[in-house]
Amino acid sequence: KQEVTQIPAALSVPEGENLVLNCSFTDSAIYNLQWFRQDPGKGLTSLLLIQSSQREQTSGRLNASLDKSSGRSTLYIAASQPGDSATYLCAVERGSQGNLIFGKGTKLSVKP
Amino acid sequence: DAGVIQSPRHEVTEMGQEVTLRCKPISGHDYLFWYRQTMMRGLELLIYFNNNVPIDDSGMPEDRFSAKMPNASFSTLKIQPSEPRDSAVYFCASSSYLAGVADTQYFGPGTRLTVL
Repeated sequence: KQEVTQIPAALSVPEGENLVLNCSFTDSAIYNLQWFRQDPGKGLTSLLLIQSSQREQTSGRLNASLDKSSGRSTLYIAASQPGDSATYLCAVERGSQGNLIFGKGTKLSVKP
Repeated sequence: DAGVIQSPRHEVTEMGQEVTLRCKPISGHDYLFWYRQTMMRGLELLIYFNNNVPIDDSGMPEDRFSAKMPNASFSTLKIQPSEPRDSAVYFCASSSYLAGVADTQYFGPGTRLTVL
């Protein structure tokens, strides 16, 4: 059974710091891995999607990497801003039809 | 496009009552997903549809839960009878099928359900 773990559960950093969020999964037979952002009281917003054949994806200040063999992904946020404060969730897709298994997320707080 | 629309946004009901949650996916999307989010269990997939047909309902917790998608623009998740342990935020998401694979999912704002 696929399990997705995110460490740490919560993280507080000063504005401007570069940071890394971690995600691990137990079964390397994944179709893709996605990172989402969730703001309080809101739904999820997709940030990055990495196909199983890819090693990384970048969008602006965000960079996500994928190492299937070790069952790990990282989300790197450069020059963090208070607006980055949110919960970040990692999800792996088991098949090609969007069946996602989520981690419990990392709650990020960026202090001005 | 207005995005995925869910109603109601908040629902408070008493144990034993029937609850119906509603979802309108993004126009043109052919996949629809229902999730439940709690502090203890995180975000869990309950059921998903492809072209209005249920594909996998293995996440539905028990027979008290049912979901339908009568057409491409509307889906319901029904709980009958409701119990306090059903209290959670229920999300609907939709996606499209591009070049043989599902694209990223677009989530609605969720329905916060409280069962007293």
